[in-house]
Amino acid sequence: EAQVTQNPRYLITVTGKKLTVTCSQNMNHEYMSWYRQDPGLGLRQIYYSMNVEVTDKGDVPEGYKVSRKEKRNFPLILESPSPNQTSLYFCASSPGGEQYFGPGTRLTVT
Amino acid sequence: LAKTTQPISMDSYEGQEVNITCSHNNIATNDYITWYQQFPSQGPRFIIQGYKTKVTNEVASLFIPADRKSSTLSLPRVSLSDTAVYYCLVGSSGNTPLVFGKGTRLSVIA
Repeated sequence: EAQVTQNPRYLITVTGKKLTVTCSQNMNHEYMSWYRQDPGLGLRQIYYSMNVEVTDKGDVPEGYKVSRKEKRNFPLILESPSPNQTSLYFCASSPGGEQYFGPGTRLTVT
Repeated sequence: LAKTTQPISMDSYEGQEVNITCSHNNIATNDYITWYQQFPSQGPRFIIQGYKTKVTNEVASLFIPADRKSSTLSLPRVSLSDTAVYYCLVGSSGNTPLVFGKGTRLSVIA
C-alpha cells in the first residue's frame, strides 16, 4: 500500500532531550516536507526537500533540523526541544503537485 | 510566499452545495491552487488542484477566475461526512516554501 509513515505517533519528552521523528514513504517521491499544526494557526511548513541531499527551510525552521540521505526517508530532528515545540507534526511527500500526508506525530515537551 | 485568506467557518445543511472561497492576491505565475480536506487527528487529504479556469473531479469542482487572485472550492450535495477543515494552498512542490492558510471549518447539519 502506498503510504507515508511516521514514528512515533505519540511522544512525551522533557526540555532539552534530543529526539528524532522518522518519516518514510514508499512511493518513490522526490519531494518531502515537514509541517507542524497548532490550534488557530493551521499548517506551517518547517523544512522541505526536493531530492536526496537537498533540504530547504520552510516558514518555521527554528529549532529543527532535517536530513535526506535516502529518497524514502526524511527524519525531523529536535536537538534541544522546548515547550513551544509541543505540537502535531505531519510529514508529507509529493511526486510534484498533490501531497500525501502521514498520520501525524503528537509531541509534548514538558 | 503566497498567503491565503479563507473564511474561518461555514455551516451547511445536508444535500446543499457548498462554496468555499480562498483569496490569494500575490499568487505567482508558477503557482498552482490546491485544496485539502482534514478530519480531526488525521493528515490532510488531497481534494483537487488547478491552475486556471475550472477543474472538476468526482468529489469537487474548483473555479479560478482569469486574474487567479482567488479560487472557489465547490462541494456538491454535502453530507455529514463532509464535516471537516478545508485548506487552500497556493504554490508548487518546487523550490519555494509552501504556506497553508488557516483553513475553513465546514459543519454539515442534518
